Formats: sequence, structure tokens, C-alpha cells
Amino acid sequence: DQQVKQNSPSLSVQEGRISILNCDYTNSMFDYFLWYKKYPAEGPTFLISISSIKDKNEDGRFTVFLNKSAKHLSLHIVPSQPGDSAVYFCAASDGGGSEKLVFGKGMKLTVNP
Amino acid sequence: DTGVSQNPRHKITKRGQNVTFRCDPISEHNRLYWYRQTLGQGPEFLTYFQNEAQLEKSRLLSDRFSAERPKGSFSTLEIQRTEQGDSAMYLCASSFRGRDTDTQYFGPGTRLTVL
Repeated sequence: DQQVKQNSPSLSVQEGRISILNCDYTNSMFDYFLWYKKYPAEGPTFLISISSIKDKNEDGRFTVFLNKSAKHLSLHIVPSQPGDSAVYFCAASDGGGSEKLVFGKGMKLTVNP
Repeated sequence: DTGVSQNPRHKITKRGQNVTFRCDPISEHNRLYWYRQTLGQGPEFLTYFQNEAQLEKSRLLSDRFSAERPKGSFSTLEIQRTEQGDSAMYLCASSFRGRDTDTQYFGPGTRLTVL
């Protein structure tokens, strides 16, 4: 049973436009959510996180929104750049990030010049 | 570079052989995690340590797998009698157990291929 779901396997956007990556979760005990970016043959790179006590967190071009009632979070990248092309993973934890992370299957983002 | 390091980066072995991977966490981090990633999937949790104590093991970690962190610094993951289904990317992450929230930082991974 997948507790973290990224239902769209891929997304293609034009450089300069907004990229919106979505993630749904089923476990109401999750209290900490993270987004990682992964290039081929490399480990995941941490992007941004959000605690369940917040509904928005922003870091430069990256903003994560959390809707607890819908058990949904999204990552917005504005403006999108070709270097953002990678696989993005949504992850969740029920221990503030100190416990195991549960990952979605990932979504491939392609930003076209 | 002060990030998480893993060795080797690639390992090819024959079925039935034993393999061992090493992870060196970020120096001030007291938690260390192992995950496994197969093609088309996200990383799956295997086990984690706080200092030298192994606090949780996934049911994915069969009795052929063993992990250690003897001095609370580096960790090793050993797979005995490898099977083709063990072929995957093995990822290590570390974090500092703080008061509120932690962020796990990942190493580059070890790609295991079992022939």
C-alpha cells in the first residue's frame, strides 16, 4: 500500500514558466514532508521541507504548499530553469524527519529551453 | 567535501557472493539511515542508527542483510549470499537528531549488480 503517491510520472514545462509537482499521502500521522531532486547516478539532493504545523514554506524559487485536510502537498518552481530537469521525490515522515522517510515513486521534470 | 560518502560507487558480483558497502556520514550527524532504490521506485527504508544503536529495521531487511555502526561514525551494510533481486542502488543518509525536525542528507549511493 503506497502511503505517498506521485500520480504523474512526468511533467514538461518551458523555461521561465511555473512547474507544479503534486504529491498525495494517506497516513494522517505524517508530520514532516520533504522534496528531493535526483539526477541520474547520484543520490537524492534535499530541496525543501515543511512541517505539518505550517501550510507554506518558501526558499528562493521553490515553494511547498501543504493542505492537511486534503492530505496533499505541492512543490512550485518559479521560474523553471533547464537545470531543474531531474526526477523529484516527495517524502514524508511521522517523526519530524528523524524517523524513516516514506517516498513516492518520483516524477520526471523536463524544463525545455 | 563534508557530505555523505559511500564506497564503492559500483559493485558487480556473482549470485551467492557476499558484499559489503560502507557509508561515512556528515561528521556531526548522529543518525544514519540505509535505503534501497530499484528502477522506477522511490527509495525504500531499510534501517537506521542513532550513534551505534540500531533503532529500527524494515521487514525488507532479510536475515541475509546486516548493518553495523560500531563506533557511531561510519556504517557498513553487508549482504550475504546475494541474489539477483538484490540488484539495486543502496543509499545512505545522515541527519542530526535535534529538538524539532531533521533533514536527511543522502550520499551518492552504491549501485549493486548481481549476475
